[in-house]
Amino acid sequence: GAVVSQHPSWVICKSGTSVKIECRSLDFQATTMFWYRQFPKQSLMLMATSNEGSKATYEQGVEKDKFLINHASLTLSTLTVTSAHPEDSSFYICSAYGQGGELFFGEGSRLTVL
Amino acid sequence: AQSVTQLGSHVSVSEGALVLLRCNYSSSVPPYLFWYVQYPNQGLQLLLKYTTGATLVKGINGFEAEFKKSETSFHLTKPSAHMSDAAEYFCAVRSPGYSSASKIIFGSGTRLSIRP
Repeated sequence: GAVVSQHPSWVICKSGTSVKIECRSLDFQATTMFWYRQFPKQSLMLMATSNEGSKATYEQGVEKDKFLINHASLTLSTLTVTSAHPEDSSFYICSAYGQGGELFFGEGSRLTVL
Repeated sequence: AQSVTQLGSHVSVSEGALVLLRCNYSSSVPPYLFWYVQYPNQGLQLLLKYTTGATLVKGINGFEAEFKKSETSFHLTKPSAHMSDAAEYFCAVRSPGYSSASKIIFGSGTRLSIRP
């Protein structure tokens, strides 16, 4: 079945640095990918819709300059958390629709900002 | 706008007992409905989905759910709980039809604990 892979699974960084998280569709092409953020013991909150070859669509309240999304190819979307602060620490998950219409999720990336 | 409400943030049952996780939705048109399971520090795995047709859908690991339009519900059940079922469960809704840009809206989640 379709697989979505995220990298890295875990990342720890210092406050003020930028962190890039990759989301890849391994055996299918994805013109659209979704980025979610999940706080401990809470639900997934949609941050943005990543569109191949064009600008991402951000949900209300999500800072586009803070969370940079680049969907440069049909199999790769990246989320860059710029000038990270401790409040950005969270679990970030991406997803994409496979050819059969099912939404597949990556394994998630846990970001800890010190 | 669509939304989904999961009643009960935490459900605890004994091993071998019936599992019932509640989900109600709000949508102006009959939506597609999903149940996902999440284990700690992992992504989400699809348990089952309702799109059209039979209202009782069976999924993986012995779970099933019934779409009840009159009650706007899509409750998840399993006849006999196993210890391995302990996880977080999310109900989700999206608009019918397939579009690669269709957003899925998640409920707040229900943590299922299994007592030995």
